[in-house]
Amino acid sequence: SAVISQKPSRDICQRGTSLTIQCQVDSQVTMMFWYRQQPGQSLTLIATANQGSEATYESGFVIDKFPISRPNLTFSTLTVSNMSPEDSSIYLCSVEQGLVDTQYFGPGTRLTVL
Amino acid sequence: QKEVEQDPGPLSVPEGAIVSLNCTYSNSAFQYFMWYRQYSRKGPELLMYTYSSGNKEDGRFTAQVDKSSKYISLFIRDSQPSDSATYLCAMRDSWGKLQFGAGTQVVVTP
Repeated sequence: SAVISQKPSRDICQRGTSLTIQCQVDSQVTMMFWYRQQPGQSLTLIATANQGSEATYESGFVIDKFPISRPNLTFSTLTVSNMSPEDSSIYLCSVEQGLVDTQYFGPGTRLTVL
Repeated sequence: QKEVEQDPGPLSVPEGAIVSLNCTYSNSAFQYFMWYRQYSRKGPELLMYTYSSGNKEDGRFTAQVDKSSKYISLFIRDSQPSDSATYLCAMRDSWGKLQFGAGTQVVVTP
């Protein structure tokens, strides 16, 4: 399976600022995904990022709040904009690989907004 | 009603016992069924996946799917303290999206 890294691993940010999270994969992949995992809850898909096209956002998530870049087949970024304490969460990227397109996850970015 | 229901636990078992986890779902369009293990402060790690009703074994792990009842299970035999983690079920629909359960926290005590 792909090896996925994320930066930063954690951060503490002030309300109203923005944070960009990077996701790097050690092999080329078509589909990359961004998820949010709030404390005590399961994973919620934010958006799907394909190289060369606009990201596709899920209901409740908008591009102005969570802009995504996908400049090549091994890299993506998610920005959390104009943050509020409600954005405190773990943000995870994942990639799709294998015969049945299973998803593999990065280690996550733990974000705390004060 | 959530599409995937999973008891959050915690589920505490003594070392060596069998851990039994399950999820129910309502969407008959789900095609693939997965179990992930997530240690504290780590990303989810894929344990097993299956797409047909029946059992699939991998070492100490057995995944079971009953599509007629919309019910999936994961069994861990000879549980070890290192199995202490949160276990998430996930289901893939025809659009390729994953729906996750809430996760069950498992604690294996020595």
